Amino acid sequence: KNQVEQSPQSLIILEGKNCTLQCNYTVSPFSNLRWYKQDTGRGPVSLTIMTFSENTKSNGRYTATLDADTKQSSLHITASQLSDSASYICVVSRGNYQLIWGAGTKLIIKP
Amino acid sequence: SQTIHQWPATLVQPVGSPLSLECTVEGTSNPNLYWYRQAAGRGLQLLFYSVGIGQISSEVPQNLSASRPQDRQFILSSKKLLLSDSGFYLCAWDRQGPDTQYFGPGTRLTVL
Repeated sequence: KNQVEQSPQSLIILEGKNCTLQCNYTVSPFSNLRWYKQDTGRGPVSLTIMTFSENTKSNGRYTATLDADTKQSSLHITASQLSDSASYICVVSRGNYQLIWGAGTKLIIKP
Repeated sequence: SQTIHQWPATLVQPVGSPLSLECTVEGTSNPNLYWYRQAAGRGLQLLFYSVGIGQISSEVPQNLSASRPQDRQFILSSKKLLLSDSGFYLCAWDRQGPDTQYFGPGTRLTVL
């Protein structure tokens, strides 16, 4: 079954701290893996997109990693800011317009 | 630059009433268009996608339908809403290949 599982479900950290969010997937065939940030009540916004051959990709303070052998990805956030409070969603593409969406990790940054 | 619009932003409808949500994209041509639904605390569920005018693919059987009357217009409809149709509806677009999907602001639908 094609699934994307994210952990933790929710996370609270203090402003300025780092954190890492996890994504495990059982999707086949694999086309690419994406991380999105979704503010409450808004549409998701893309952070990174990685194909099979890419191990890491950065976007400012966000760094995503991909291990295609173990089918795992992580999103690392450095020096967190209050504006980082949001849900972070891992999405795996099978190609042919089919995206498998994770349920997201809700991240809360406290001052 | 490209922009994507959705309306209305919020909608409260009684069970059994019809529905029409509209999405338009500006600044690009021949986009792929998508309708998603997101239940509270859940991941996005793809409802429909379209690769061209009049071409609609349905991912989930339900009482909803979609239409694409123009290249950059995508409409989500229902003849009779159910309670289970409540949710956050998102329209998105992208281009061919491993491209990022760009999302609209969403419509919050509550069916009472």
